[in-house]
Amino acid sequence: KQEVTQIPAALSVPEGENLVLNCSFTDSAIYNLQWFRQDPGKGLTSLLLIQSSQREQTSGRLNASLDKSSGRSTLYIAASQPGDSATYLCAVPSGGSNYKLTFGKGTLLTVNP
Amino acid sequence: DTAVSQTPKYLVTQMGNDKSIKCEQNLGHDTMYWYKQDSKKFLKIMFSYNNKELIINETVPNRFSPKSPDKAHLNLHINSLELGDSAVYFCASSQVAEQEAFFGQGTRLTVV
Repeated sequence: KQEVTQIPAALSVPEGENLVLNCSFTDSAIYNLQWFRQDPGKGLTSLLLIQSSQREQTSGRLNASLDKSSGRSTLYIAASQPGDSATYLCAVPSGGSNYKLTFGKGTLLTVNP
Repeated sequence: DTAVSQTPKYLVTQMGNDKSIKCEQNLGHDTMYWYKQDSKKFLKIMFSYNNKELIINETVPNRFSPKSPDKAHLNLHINSLELGDSAVYFCASSQVAEQEAFFGQGTRLTVV
């Protein structure tokens, strides 16, 4: 059974700081890994999708890496801004099926002005 | 243009009632999903449909019945609502299961 763990559960940083969010998964037989952000009371916004054949994916100030063999992914946020404050979730296909995503419990990020 | 849209956004109802949540995607995707986010913010799959066919039913009570009239729509009907059904329900879609999933804004269901 796929299990996804995100560390830390919460993170508070001053504006401008670079930061790393961690995600680990127990079953490395995945096709991809996806990072989302969720704002309070809102839906999920897809940030980055990394295919299993890729090691990195970048979008603006965000960089996600994937190490399938060790079951780990990191989301690097450069020069954080107050607008980055949200819950960040990682998700992987699970249970031998790509038709369901297993999510971590998320990291609640607060960027202080 | 909203890619995945759900209605209603909020739903407050009494125990025992029957309610429906509608979901539509205009992305041309062939796979749609329902997820439930509980009070602890944990997201869990409920159903997956591919080309209108049920693929995943993740041990959801029979009171929940999804219906996919076409590839662009996946509605969720809930019978005999219980207090424990209170949660946020998210619809999502992707083009084949291996690709990026897009989520709707969620429907916050409160059963009183």
